[in-house]
Amino acid sequence: SQKIEQNSEALNIQEGKTATLTCNYTNYSPAYLQWYRQDPGRGPVFLLLIRENEKEKRKERLKVTFDTTLKQSLFHITASQPADSATYLCALPRPSGGSYIPTFGRGTSLIVHP
Amino acid sequence: SQTIHQWPATLVQPVGSPLSLECTVEGTSNPNLYWYRQAAGRGLQLLFYSVGIGQISSEVPQNLSASRPQDRQFILSSKKLLLSDSGFYLCAWSVDRLGRARSGNTIYFGEGSWLTVV
Repeated sequence: SQKIEQNSEALNIQEGKTATLTCNYTNYSPAYLQWYRQDPGRGPVFLLLIRENEKEKRKERLKVTFDTTLKQSLFHITASQPADSATYLCALPRPSGGSYIPTFGRGTSLIVHP
Repeated sequence: SQTIHQWPATLVQPVGSPLSLECTVEGTSNPNLYWYRQAAGRGLQLLFYSVGIGQISSEVPQNLSASRPQDRQFILSSKKLLLSDSGFYLCAWSVDRLGRARSGNTIYFGEGSWLTVV
């Protein structure tokens, strides 16, 4: 069956350091992968999309890599700030009945300490 | 611009009582609509999705049901709530174009509804 795995343990880092989060998947051949941010008590918010033919994507302090051979995506936040503290979810499109349904990993909690 | 509204934001319901959560999307037409649930400490579980009026696909067998009476309205219901129905319910939408879905279909979430079944 298809699985999306993200580290369930919270990642604690110091302000100014680079945070790296991992998303691994099995039994998928996704055309793209997405990363979302979720704050406590709120709905997830879209951050970045990377397509299968792209190795790396950047947006301000965010960088995403996508290795379809390893079936893995890495999500980096450089110069992290306490405001970056949140849960980060990766999502893959799962084919279903002619459509593509966004399916999410459980997310990894990031805590940036001042 | 597109917006999504979901209500109520919070509710406490006794076991065996009915449930109705509503969601509407504005500023777009023929969206894909979704209901997700997030239990405490768990990931996002897709409950239902809809690609058009009256078209509902269920992902998980349970005592919940969904309906789409209008293009931009999505309703989650239950006739009799269970304790295990407690959680954070999220309505979401995405563009309904298969080509877009294949190449990158961003999903937009509502603010969520906290349901506590007691």
